[in-house]
Amino acid sequence: KQEVTQIPAALSVPEGENLVLNCSFTDSAIYNLQWFRQDPGKGLTSLLLIQSSQREQTSGRLNASLDKSSGRSTLYIAASQPGDSATYLCAVRGGGADGLTFGKGTHLIIQP
Amino acid sequence: EAEVAQSPRYKITEKSQAVAFWCDPISGHATLYWYRQILGQGPELLVQFQDESVVDDSQLPKDRFSAERLKGVDSTLKIQPAELGDSAMYLCASRTPGTNGYTFGSGTRLTVV
Repeated sequence: KQEVTQIPAALSVPEGENLVLNCSFTDSAIYNLQWFRQDPGKGLTSLLLIQSSQREQTSGRLNASLDKSSGRSTLYIAASQPGDSATYLCAVRGGGADGLTFGKGTHLIIQP
Repeated sequence: EAEVAQSPRYKITEKSQAVAFWCDPISGHATLYWYRQILGQGPELLVQFQDESVVDDSQLPKDRFSAERLKGVDSTLKIQPAELGDSAMYLCASRTPGTNGYTFGSGTRLTVV
């Protein structure tokens, strides 16, 4: 059974810093990996989708990398802003399941 | 931009009552999922549909939960009777053919009192 772990569980940094969120998964036989953002009490917003054949994806200040063989992904946020404050969720498809398997998320606070 | 529609946004119900949630996926998306997210946790899959057929309901508590997608378009998730432990966010998602990326709706926040 696929398991996804996200580290750290919570992070608080001053505005302007670059930061890295980590995600690891136990079964490397995945189809893709997706990073989501969730604001309090809201649904999930897709940030980046990385196919299993890809190494990274970029969107604006966000960059996600994937190392499938080692079961790891990182989400890099450049020049953080208070509006980036949210919970960031990592999810993988595959590894024995067709639906997504999620980590518990990283709760991020950017201090003004 | 295409969206997954869910209603209601919030629902408060008394335990032992019946409750239902509705989802309309992005047009053309054959695969639809219902997830449950307990506060502080990641979403967990309840049921997956391919068109009108259930593909995976292994995590659905079938003694009280039911789901249907009669015409292969919109879907309804029902709980009867509701229990206090069912309080959670219920999320619907559909999968884009080709890229296989997932799009989630805004969710229904259920509180059972």
